[in-house]
Amino acid sequence: QVQLVQSGAEVKKPGASVRVSCKTSGYSFTSSDINWVRQATGQGLEWLGWMNPNSGNTGYPRKFQGRVTMTRNTSINTAYLELSSLTSEDTAVYYCARGTRNNNDRYFIRYWFDPWGQGTLVTVSS
Amino acid sequence: DIVMTQSPDSLAVSLGERATINCKSSQSVLNSPNKKNYLAWYQQKPGQPPKLLIYWASTRESGVPDRFSGSGSGTDFTLTIGSLQAEDVAVYYCQQYYGTPLTFGGGTKVEIK
Repeated sequence: QVQLVQSGAEVKKPGASVRVSCKTSGYSFTSSDINWVRQATGQGLEWLGWMNPNSGNTGYPRKFQGRVTMTRNTSINTAYLELSSLTSEDTAVYYCARGTRNNNDRYFIRYWFDPWGQGTLVTVSS
Repeated sequence: DIVMTQSPDSLAVSLGERATINCKSSQSVLNSPNKKNYLAWYQQKPGQPPKLLIYWASTRESGVPDRFSGSGSGTDFTLTIGSLQAEDVAVYYCQQYYGTPLTFGGGTKVEIK
């Protein structure tokens, strides 16, 4: 079955960077986008952007441009999220999630997320 | 950005009764050429990631019980749990995928009365 397995919890100091990994299995890694979504404790869901593992192309919301980098290693079917210049407001659970483009919208980021990784808690504290 | 607004924030429903969750988008998520609404629903239980329930506003994901149904078009959508079961206690989110950034509603917490 399709699985996304993320790396373990991280504790970082303000101003540092964090990298979270997302190892996929059960499908062709390059056939679907990988997205990242975060959730602060007791809060809602916020999309950090997408990456096409085949081309390496990425897209980030304005809010995160300059601070987020999404990369991949196709030899091990793994995607990475790096977030820099961390502040306490970045403390959250970070999820990777697969997004599959449908044929009619293959040039657009228009998809739901399924499945999701188990989540990685990133705590930013001095 | 398309803002998604859910209501209510929480609701308590008796076992076997109907639960109704609303989701409103700040602009239409109906794509006229294919007549599809770009709206999904997720269920999130404590300590778990969200789980896809419904996409295209009303298409149930494989394996999702048929007591879950989605309806609506344009800017107004509803998730209905036809007969609430104990395992349905969770937070439910809507998500639009018509425009970027992809955005979610604030969530609705469903509890047992």
